[in-house]
Amino acid sequence: DAGITQSPRHKVTETGTPVTLRCHQTENHRYMYWYRQDPGHGLRLIHYSYGVKDTDKGEVSDGYSVSRSKTEDFLLTLESATSSQTSVYFCAISDGRQNEKLFFGSGTQLSVL
Amino acid sequence: GENVEQHPSTLSVQEGDSAVIKCTYSDSASNYFPWYKQELGKRPQLIIDIRSNVGEKKDQRIAVTLNKTAKHFSLHITETQPEDSAVYFCAAAGANQAGTALIFGKGTTLSVSS
Repeated sequence: DAGITQSPRHKVTETGTPVTLRCHQTENHRYMYWYRQDPGHGLRLIHYSYGVKDTDKGEVSDGYSVSRSKTEDFLLTLESATSSQTSVYFCAISDGRQNEKLFFGSGTQLSVL
Repeated sequence: GENVEQHPSTLSVQEGDSAVIKCTYSDSASNYFPWYKQELGKRPQLIIDIRSNVGEKKDQRIAVTLNKTAKHFSLHITETQPEDSAVYFCAAAGANQAGTALIFGKGTTLSVSS
């Protein structure tokens, strides 16, 4: 498996609090992605990064922000968590435009109460 | 942006039967179409992919076909086995100037009974 680690693996938080999820890779891949997975909705792209400090919005970016200050780390922040953001969050990496194969992390189960 | 529709949402087959999952996409500029398998409680993993310059690709019991004119592609699993039971996702590359970002269908839960 590709070297990709998500933390935390599980988190319970309260509505209105900020939450940051971390994705760390040891593959030196250029591209990193955040997806959320919900029953009946599949995998939906939140944000992605195509290099250090280079990010773009995905399908469901409202209420989320990201940062990538170095190649190996991609942070996802829920600025003020809501119950609708309860989900499983997957980070994924790929090494470039000629190889779009995604390697996924193990996921973070986030519950917003 | 890209939109991917996937059917059916659930599929039940007997061991040894074939299974077919179909997807359509909206962006004619998309040129990469992978399929991912996700077993219960696990992460999605790539099982096969196809590019727009190829009409069909096979890997043992699985195959993918692509019809660019109609903007649809399909996953075919032959001689299904209980270990094929999983959720399958199709995806299309929403190509843009910053690289490719995969847009996924909503998934198909395949159940293979012995």
